[in-house]
Amino acid sequence: EAQVTQNPRYLITVTGKKLTVTCSQNMNHEYMSWYRQDPGLGLRQIYYSMNVEVTDKGDVPEGYKVSRKEKRNFPLILESPSPNQTSLYFCASSPRSSGRVDEQFFGPGTRLTVL
Amino acid sequence: AQTVTQSQPEMSVQEAETVTLSCTYDTSESNYYLFWYKQPPSRQMILVIRQEAYKQQNATENRFSVNFQKAAKSFSLKISDSQLGDTAMYFCAFMTDKVIFGPGTSLSVIP
Repeated sequence: EAQVTQNPRYLITVTGKKLTVTCSQNMNHEYMSWYRQDPGLGLRQIYYSMNVEVTDKGDVPEGYKVSRKEKRNFPLILESPSPNQTSLYFCASSPRSSGRVDEQFFGPGTRLTVL
Repeated sequence: AQTVTQSQPEMSVQEAETVTLSCTYDTSESNYYLFWYKQPPSRQMILVIRQEAYKQQNATENRFSVNFQKAAKSFSLKISDSQLGDTAMYFCAFMTDKVIFGPGTSLSVIP
């Protein structure tokens, strides 16, 4: 089954304790992306990757890191989480067509709470 | 900077009626995609419809259609014969290499 998986689905942690949220896709998509969703703000892009070893900042990259060492994986790293990073996080992947990123396939989301 | 605006935070419609959700965007790009995504209470993001900016013909998917006005930078979603399962948050999204989402419209379908 074609899908994007995220782990963990739920996480409660404390300020300053490093964490990683994993994302994996099995559709051989070039493009992968991370978003956070907060009430009234919609989804905001944190980082995206056009292909292996290529990453770029989205609109809200502060406090986050990513890496793209393999095509299928795109982990999100919070080196020192703070309470303002409490949010719902989505990973997504996309093929490319006509030179542009096409439809995104979303993971199920990770609910993160930082105390 | 590219922006996406959804001016209707909440809407409601009677079952079987038609409703239109508005979306406007601002960009200097000429080649891009536009999407409507649905997010039901399960929080899963579900693609409703997509539109390539270079295509003049408005996209249609069953009961869902768009009115794409490129010059006006407008991309509204029309839902015909509304069903209870259409109750959800609806997000408009603008895509080049980066992706910009609007703040969403919460749609309630009333029996």
